[in-house]
Amino acid sequence: ETGVTQTPRHLVMGMTNKKSLKCEQHLGHNAMYWYKQSAKKPLELMFVYSLEERVENNSVPSRFSPECPNSSHLFLHLHTLQPEDSALYLCASSQVTGVTEAFFGQGTRLTVV
Amino acid sequence: AQSVTQLGSHVSVSEGALVLLRCNYSSSVPPYLFWYVQYPNQGLQLLLKYTSAATLVKGINGFEAEFKKSETSFHLTKPSAHMSDAAEYFCAVSDRGGSQGNLIFGKGTKLSVKP
Repeated sequence: ETGVTQTPRHLVMGMTNKKSLKCEQHLGHNAMYWYKQSAKKPLELMFVYSLEERVENNSVPSRFSPECPNSSHLFLHLHTLQPEDSALYLCASSQVTGVTEAFFGQGTRLTVV
Repeated sequence: AQSVTQLGSHVSVSEGALVLLRCNYSSSVPPYLFWYVQYPNQGLQLLLKYTSAATLVKGINGFEAEFKKSETSFHLTKPSAHMSDAAEYFCAVSDRGGSQGNLIFGKGTKLSVKP
């Protein structure tokens, strides 16, 4: 398998649930990212990891908790979300941080009910 | 602060017609600029990028963009639209200029292609 793979593709969760989004890259990249894509809003960068260390956290609420156990895997742990958190969550990777070409996964469509 | 503005959230063209998607940027330092495309239910894919070399940049699928410093623009064009070009297109700029920082995206322009 090649590229950036995200699972699940779709997720419906209640506000009291705990769930996790998974991202895996098979490109040998050292940087990984979480983005949030909401309707009628620009893509929002949430977190940046470089060599498994978090290097950026763009004022994201604590109900979103990222984890990067190794350079190939990135998780986004979710708990006590709000309906306004419903969005497409995109994972991306790049060779290094900085503005090199980023490769995106297909995203997880999250609906909070 | 760096930013991009995409004029027109929705553009519709006929098959075979010229495609022009507009992007203007604001940057206090020499920018790196990008165009990405997103097909339905897919992630984003890089079309092309400007990194301070040639001002006319050619990308995949017949798209190209021209960096115009005097107009602070980086418009995306394709001479002849194809049905398969229907997608959403995003312009992006580096948030710290040059090769540093992260990508700041515009709100996107949805391109429709009529037969």
